[in-house]
Amino acid sequence: SQTIHQWPATLVQPVGSPLSLECTVEGTSNPNLYWYRQAAGRGLQLLFYSVGIGQISSEVPQNLSASRPQDRQFILSSKKLLLSDSGFYLCAWSVIKETQYFGPGTRLLVL
Amino acid sequence: AQSVTQLDSHVSVSEGTPVLLRCNYSSSYSPSLFWYVQHPNKGLQLLLKYTSAATLVKGINGFEAEFKKSETSFHLTKPSAHMSDAAEYFCVVSLQGGKLIFGQGTELSVKP
Repeated sequence: SQTIHQWPATLVQPVGSPLSLECTVEGTSNPNLYWYRQAAGRGLQLLFYSVGIGQISSEVPQNLSASRPQDRQFILSSKKLLLSDSGFYLCAWSVIKETQYFGPGTRLLVL
Repeated sequence: AQSVTQLDSHVSVSEGTPVLLRCNYSSSYSPSLFWYVQHPNKGLQLLLKYTSAATLVKGINGFEAEFKKSETSFHLTKPSAHMSDAAEYFCVVSLQGGKLIFGQGTELSVKP
């Protein structure tokens, strides 16, 4: 069966520091991968998606970037965090185009 | 353009009573629709999905939803609420390219 992992689970970082969040999927090949952000009391906003290694599409201009160095690995990064980057970050995968399955999330607090 | 509206930001029920979470969608084609549940500080779990087969869709944990094209609705129901059902519920519509549009969420509270 397929599983999706995210780490760290929780992260507290100072403003201006770098960021690296990792997402890995097991049990499937060539998945579509997605990064979402969920701000407090709001729905989910799609940040990036990837249909293959090295292929990244950005949905919104922002302080973040994404990379996919391996088939089942998806990384979310920032060179300098802003206060507004705080939130709950969710990674998701899909093989069939529409049904997405979500990871456990990373809670990021920027102080 | 495709969109989804969850009509209630918060619903409160008593344990053992029925649950109704309302969702309306807008789509220029026959959509795929989903309900996800999110417990506090957890990821989203797929409850059920509609993909143009049977209009009454049964999901996990006793939930079901009915697709009504004439009303552009996809309401989520459960006959009897449990305390463990307390969570945030998201109605989602899928775009043809596979991207998802999320409703703003409905927080379900269950009172003992």
